[in-house]
Amino acid sequence: QVQLQESGPGLVKPSGTLSLTCVVSGGSISSSNWWSWVRQSPGKGLEWIGEIYHSGSTNYNPSLKSRVTISLDKSKNQFSLKMSSVTAADTAVYYCARAAAGITLDYWGQGTLVTVSS
Amino acid sequence: EIVLTQSPGTLSLSPGERATLSCRASQSVSSNYLAWYQQKPGQAPRLLIYGASSRATGIPDRFSGSGSGTDFTLTISRLEPEDFALYYCHQYGSSPLTFGGGTKVEIK
Repeated sequence: QVQLQESGPGLVKPSGTLSLTCVVSGGSISSSNWWSWVRQSPGKGLEWIGEIYHSGSTNYNPSLKSRVTISLDKSKNQFSLKMSSVTAADTAVYYCARAAAGITLDYWGQGTLVTVSS
Repeated sequence: EIVLTQSPGTLSLSPGERATLSCRASQSVSSNYLAWYQQKPGQAPRLLIYGASSRATGIPDRFSGSGSGTDFTLTISRLEPEDFALYYCHQYGSSPLTFGGGTKVEIK
């Protein structure tokens, strides 16, 4: 059973950088799946941020692309999200998830709340 | 980007009744790559249906999905107490992946 667990600061200052990590257990991050980040805020519902493949290939939501970087660390079986120049609008619960080919986001982490505030 | 519109916003039903949720896409969803999720307060979304009509592992057969192109439906044949929750549709046929605004199924 694949499990994902997000971690990172719950509070980030405006104009700062949000950094989150997702540790994958019960499966290899080098398998033929995409590894994604999704966020959920009261104002905008569920929003896909982007994804990364084990080869390092990435896809990002154009609305966030200029501020987002997703990377992976195979040695630690984890992947990460960095989002720069954050504002209050980036306050949300951030989820990491696995996207299986043809099936989409099937395994999700429990989510972590990130609040942007001074 | 494909915009997904879900209706109704809220569905008030009693246990044992049939629930029919709609999801309409602003353009055709490639390969019918349309999924449905259930979400309860404080929990991550749970995959119910993928590929418009395939049930995910462990999902009871009272949940069924149908549709193609731009119009999709999630049907819950007989509502159980644990089915009262938020439901989202999600398209993964083209980037960026997008989600609908959700339908809340509440107890009448």
